[in-house]
Amino acid sequence: AQSVSQHNHHVILSEAASLELGCNYSYGGTVNLFWYVQYPGQHLQLLLKYFSGDPLVKGIKGFEAEFIKSKFSFNLRKPSVQWSDTAEYFCAVNARIDTNAGKSTFGDGTTLTVKP
Amino acid sequence: DTEVTQTPKHLVMGMTNKKSLKCEQHMGHRAMYWYKQKAKKPPELMFVYSYEKLSINESVPSRFSPECPNSSLLNLHLHALQPEDSALYLCASSQLSRTGELFFGEGSRLTVL
Repeated sequence: AQSVSQHNHHVILSEAASLELGCNYSYGGTVNLFWYVQYPGQHLQLLLKYFSGDPLVKGIKGFEAEFIKSKFSFNLRKPSVQWSDTAEYFCAVNARIDTNAGKSTFGDGTTLTVKP
Repeated sequence: DTEVTQTPKHLVMGMTNKKSLKCEQHMGHRAMYWYKQKAKKPPELMFVYSYEKLSINESVPSRFSPECPNSSLLNLHLHALQPEDSALYLCASSQLSRTGELFFGEGSRLTVL
């Protein structure tokens, strides 16, 4: 079974600061990796995903993430955060073999608060 | 706005009531899911339907009964719930593809008295 660990439970930044949220996963096989975001009062939505190819993936709203296979990591980054980035961020993984079953495992989430 | 629609948005029920949560998607996705989310916690998978057949049941108590009438609809029937079942219930759908990213609804917030 896979597991996901997010290192930061709550991050507080000022606008224009740079962001990096850590995510490590545990699974011996090939995985798909995701970051989902949940803005206050809104539904969970996909921020970006990695399943193959370039390990640096770009998502919506200027976010990017880098898959480092040797470190089992998929950290989320943004060079300059905005107040509107205040949200809950979840890292998730599904095992490629299980894709048809859709069993995604989520990390505990990171609450990002951006101060104006 | 999400393309996965859940109703009702809020539900309050007693422990002896029977109620249902409904979910609908028109993206042509053939996998649909129920997740349970407590405050400040990640979503926990409850059920997965693939091609309208139950493919995963994560050892959910029988007081939760899922139903998938067709490829666009997913229901969760609730009966004899406990106060600890109070949570946000999320419906999601996905294509049965290599990547399997999830499209979530806004959720149904359930309170059990």
